[in-house]
Amino acid sequence: DAKTTQPPSMDCAEGRAANLPCNHSTISGNEYVYWYRQIHSQGPQYIIHGLKNNETNEMASLIITEDRKSSTLILPHATLRDTAVYYCIVKSGGSNYKLTFGKGTLLTVNP
Amino acid sequence: DTGVSQDPRHKITKRGQNVTFRCDPISEHNRLYWYRQTLGQGPEFLTYFQNEAQLEKSRLLSDRFSAERPKGSFSTLEIQRTEQGDSAMYLCASSLLGSGGETQYFGPGTRLLVL
Repeated sequence: DAKTTQPPSMDCAEGRAANLPCNHSTISGNEYVYWYRQIHSQGPQYIIHGLKNNETNEMASLIITEDRKSSTLILPHATLRDTAVYYCIVKSGGSNYKLTFGKGTLLTVNP
Repeated sequence: DTGVSQDPRHKITKRGQNVTFRCDPISEHNRLYWYRQTLGQGPEFLTYFQNEAQLEKSRLLSDRFSAERPKGSFSTLEIQRTEQGDSAMYLCASSLLGSGGETQYFGPGTRLLVL
């Protein structure tokens, strides 16, 4: 699986959009971009994933660049409960089964 | 609540004792994974099952670790002769093979402290 690079930490004001970047310059054509988050002492929570197109769900939006070498997770209206470590993971579908987590980005939402 | 449950949520044991953890995946999911997470690090893959078959084990899984998934439903992870270095959060996840990208859903984890 391709390696990802994320900033170690970011701050965001409550109510504002949080934009979390991820670089995955070695991504292959069949590899998905996944985002998970982990709130302190809990299991990782799935947020969203995408292959080529931008995706949106009730939690967030995922913007993938046209060359697929980077992506941005957008939390449109961050709340204090969004404070967590956010992991960007690249994984191919099917037989390549495991998730390889890096250290992620610690997002702190401030009041 | 993702639908993946783990038991117990916390376990304190003395070095040398055996411990067993249980994971109940989302009912229709045919793949089940175990990960381990130490303080300040992301989760690391340990092993996974497709139905009842254990298909891969990480080098992190020493001979003291054994996992089973009888009948392809719940899974157990046993650690024999625990060591202080086994102290970690043990996470279980499940997924449905063939579901585009195959999203894994995690349980709340079992936090193990070996004294």
